[in-house]
Amino acid sequence: NAGVMQNPRHLVRRRGQEARLRCSPMKGHSHVYWYRQLPEEGLKFMVYLQKENIIDESGMPKERFSAEFPKEGPSILRIQQVVRGDSAAYFCASSPTYRGYEQYFGPGTRLTVT
Amino acid sequence: GIQVEQSPPDLILQEGANSTLRCNFSDSVNNLQWFHQNPWGQLINLFYIPSGTKQNGRLSATTVATERYSLLYISSSQTTDSGVYFCAVETQGGSEKLVFGKGTKLTVNP
Repeated sequence: NAGVMQNPRHLVRRRGQEARLRCSPMKGHSHVYWYRQLPEEGLKFMVYLQKENIIDESGMPKERFSAEFPKEGPSILRIQQVVRGDSAAYFCASSPTYRGYEQYFGPGTRLTVT
Repeated sequence: GIQVEQSPPDLILQEGANSTLRCNFSDSVNNLQWFHQNPWGQLINLFYIPSGTKQNGRLSATTVATERYSLLYISSSQTTDSGVYFCAVETQGGSEKLVFGKGTKLTVNP
C-alpha cells in the first residue's frame, strides 16, 4: 500500500456539516476505488472511478454522497449533511488498470460525526 | 452476487503456533487478495493471489481457483500478527470492485 495517500487521516464533523476526503493514487495508477468500513464490520465497495469518469457507483448511498476524480488532482469523496451513521473508516485503493490487477490501499480516513 | 466466506471467525493462538485461515468463494474470480488489518486499523496488502502459491517470510498463501478456495498460512506466529485477516475477490465478468469476506480475527498471546 505504499504510495496511496489519503488525507486527512482523522476527521471530526458535527451533524449537518460536510466532509471531504481526499485520495491520491499511486504514481501511474488511473483507477481509484473507495470502500467504507462501518464499526465492527467488513469493508464494502462504494465507488470506482477513472480520470473524469465514474465507472461504478453501485455501492454509494443514493443521497448526500458523491465522488469525483478530476483530470488533475486527487479523488474526492464528499459527504454532505453528515449524520452519526456516517462515522466509519473510508479507504481508497488504486490500480494501474482494470480487470484483475492488484488494488493497493491507502491508510484510510477515520470520520467521526458528533 | 458472489459470496465470500472466511473461517474461522475467531482464532486465539500462543506465540510460536502455526495457523491456517480459509476463504471460500462462490464464483470464478479475476483477482483474490489477502489483507491484514492491524489493531490500529491500517490495512496491509499481504498477497495478490488469483491462483497458485506464494510465500513471503512466515506467511504463505494458496489459491485453488477451480475449487474456489484460498488458504493463508501463518507459521511461528508472533504477537504482531494479531488483527483481522480479510480475503477479497473480484469476480470474472463483473465489476472491478473487490468483495470482502467478514474476516478472521486473530489474537496471538505471548
